[in-house]
Amino acid sequence: AAGVIQSPRHLIKEKRETATLKCYPIPRHDTVYWYQQGPGQDPQFLISFYEKMQSDKGSIPDRFSAQQFSDYHSELNMSSLELGDSALYFCASSPAFGGGWNTEAFFGQGTRLTVV
Amino acid sequence: DAKTTQPPSMDCAEGRAANLPCNHSTISGNEYVYWYRQIHSQGPQYIIHGLKNNETNEMASLIITEDRKSSTLILPHATLRDTAVYYCIVRVAGLTGGGNKLTFGTGTQLKVEL
Repeated sequence: AAGVIQSPRHLIKEKRETATLKCYPIPRHDTVYWYQQGPGQDPQFLISFYEKMQSDKGSIPDRFSAQQFSDYHSELNMSSLELGDSALYFCASSPAFGGGWNTEAFFGQGTRLTVV
Repeated sequence: DAKTTQPPSMDCAEGRAANLPCNHSTISGNEYVYWYRQIHSQGPQYIIHGLKNNETNEMASLIITEDRKSSTLILPHATLRDTAVYYCIVRVAGLTGGGNKLTFGTGTQLKVEL
């Protein structure tokens, strides 16, 4: 079965550079969530999209932005990167059935971002 | 979303049942209990979820107390590959997607040993 695809899997950037992370949800999933997981920490919710509209926002820095496109894939754009942005970034998707009612979210394998 | 409380770590012998408890005493009537696990640095993996009835699937069983203030995830025959951090998450059953995010707390590090 198709899973959530994230790219790239690994990314190394220098401070003050920009990075774009991509997420391709499972087919027919209309909801995408982004999470950040720092070293030794639990995943922290950043932002989510439902039907291409932002639906919820967590502790996402102003330097970050995201969007969901017409084909439901999503991109997380990160600018003015800082050393503290080094983390695993996970994307998850939920199916459209019931508009998200009582549905589980499936996670991708993540993008490991290292800022040097 | 209601907060959950889990023990920080547990050990289990391979082949034995692993019983992972979770307290969610402030759970609301429209909140489900979800369990996810994360094997080292991999994406969190969905295990099971329930509202008030006990649930079972190919991976695990979920026992929710009658007052819904606590639950137990049961891995019937733990293997070394079940070593992971297990997260108990209470999540609103929303009518629209995206608004019902998963909020991860501090899970339980389960270590399965020979």
